[in-house]
Amino acid sequence: EDQVTQSPEALRLQEGESSSLNCSYTVSGLRGLFWYRQDPGKGPEFLFTLYSAGEEKEKERLKATLTKKESFLHITAPKPEDSATYLCAVLVYNFNKFYFGSGTKLNVKP
Amino acid sequence: KAGVTQTPRYLIKTRGQQVTLSCSPISGHRSVSWYQQTPGQGLQFLFEYFSETQRNKGNFPGRFSGRQFSNSRSEMNVSTLELGDSALYLCASSSEGNEQFFGPGTRLTVL
Repeated sequence: EDQVTQSPEALRLQEGESSSLNCSYTVSGLRGLFWYRQDPGKGPEFLFTLYSAGEEKEKERLKATLTKKESFLHITAPKPEDSATYLCAVLVYNFNKFYFGSGTKLNVKP
Repeated sequence: KAGVTQTPRYLIKTRGQQVTLSCSPISGHRSVSWYQQTPGQGLQFLFEYFSETQRNKGNFPGRFSGRQFSNSRSEMNVSTLELGDSALYLCASSSEGNEQFFGPGTRLTVL
């Protein structure tokens, strides 16, 4: 069964304390992996797309990487405004279905 | 390029009523998906429409239905509302094989 698991569920960091969020997946036929940021009460905001193992994407303090079984979202020197829930999703070839993880809630303290 | 729009943004209904939510996708996107999001459950997939046909469906009761029009705009309908239907309903559009872009959501409160 296709499945996406994110860890940890919640993460508290001090401003400037770098860390990584994990998204592991077991799917048949990965077409793409996506990261989103969601602020409370709003729709998820698209961050990155990764299509193949070894691929990396960067945007400001965020860097996403992909292996054959998992993806990491690295946050370097985070700021309080990076506080949000980060969601991971995979798209599979079978019927072009999207599967979302349950998210990691990040809280960055000043 | 305009983003995904959803109307209305907020709705208050009472149990037993029905509701229709609307979603306009990004121009050129033919796939529209609907999700329900509650605090304890995360994003729950409702259904996806592609070129006016329901392509995928989640595990929701038949009270939840949808449709897509020839201009790719989509509506979802919930009949016989229950208290547990209170949630943020999100619509997302995508072009084939690519990322989904989400709208701001419709906050539905059932009293």
